[in-house]
Amino acid sequence: GAVVSQHPSWVICKSGTSVKIECRSLDFQATTMFWYRQFPKQSLMLMATSNEGSKATYEQGVEKDKFLINHASLTLSTLTVTSAHPEDSSFYICSAPGSLAGKDEQFFGPGTRLTVL
Amino acid sequence: DAKTTQPTSMDCAEGRAANLPCNHSTISGNEYVYWYRQIHSQGPQYIIHGLKNNETNEMASLIITEDRKSSTLILPHATLRDTAVYYCIVRSRDSGYALNFGKGTSLLVTP
Repeated sequence: GAVVSQHPSWVICKSGTSVKIECRSLDFQATTMFWYRQFPKQSLMLMATSNEGSKATYEQGVEKDKFLINHASLTLSTLTVTSAHPEDSSFYICSAPGSLAGKDEQFFGPGTRLTVL
Repeated sequence: DAKTTQPTSMDCAEGRAANLPCNHSTISGNEYVYWYRQIHSQGPQYIIHGLKNNETNEMASLIITEDRKSSTLILPHATLRDTAVYYCIVRSRDSGYALNFGKGTSLLVTP
């Protein structure tokens, strides 16, 4: 149990186009999900917190008009990178808090690798 | 959340125990120690967490010093598949579920 999926696993797009990444909790509900970004050879950086039924909260320095987040249901959050540029190329990872064997933990998706040409 | 310090990299021979240290000298009483790992190009995976008592599960053991200023993650019999970046994260339940990832320790398990 407690699986988080992401789609697509990788995407290549042209500069200026928009890309949507989906994050789903497959067997549990998540009122909150998190979006992280990871550049090569760097650690994960939290971008934003996705809240079901309300607006996302963004970390300092993350442009909310560029990275649109929609938490459409208790099992789905989407991240849309608008007008993507090469510097947006990165590994995007989502996570959702859940409980397994009575212990609270964070479940991560497999990540989406975005390459902007 | 308190800051953690980990060695940048470590090597371990396959079949031997891998002991990964973490310093968290500013940890406060309500903060837990979490360990996650990230295999190359995958999402992070939860390993174990604890407050002050030592913990063990099917993946690893977590040893926390009595003063809670440091901890050690032990993989008892490392395999090649344990090669990954291991993150030690200190977090209070009150600070929400978002995780603040440091640079972690890159563990290389060699044949």
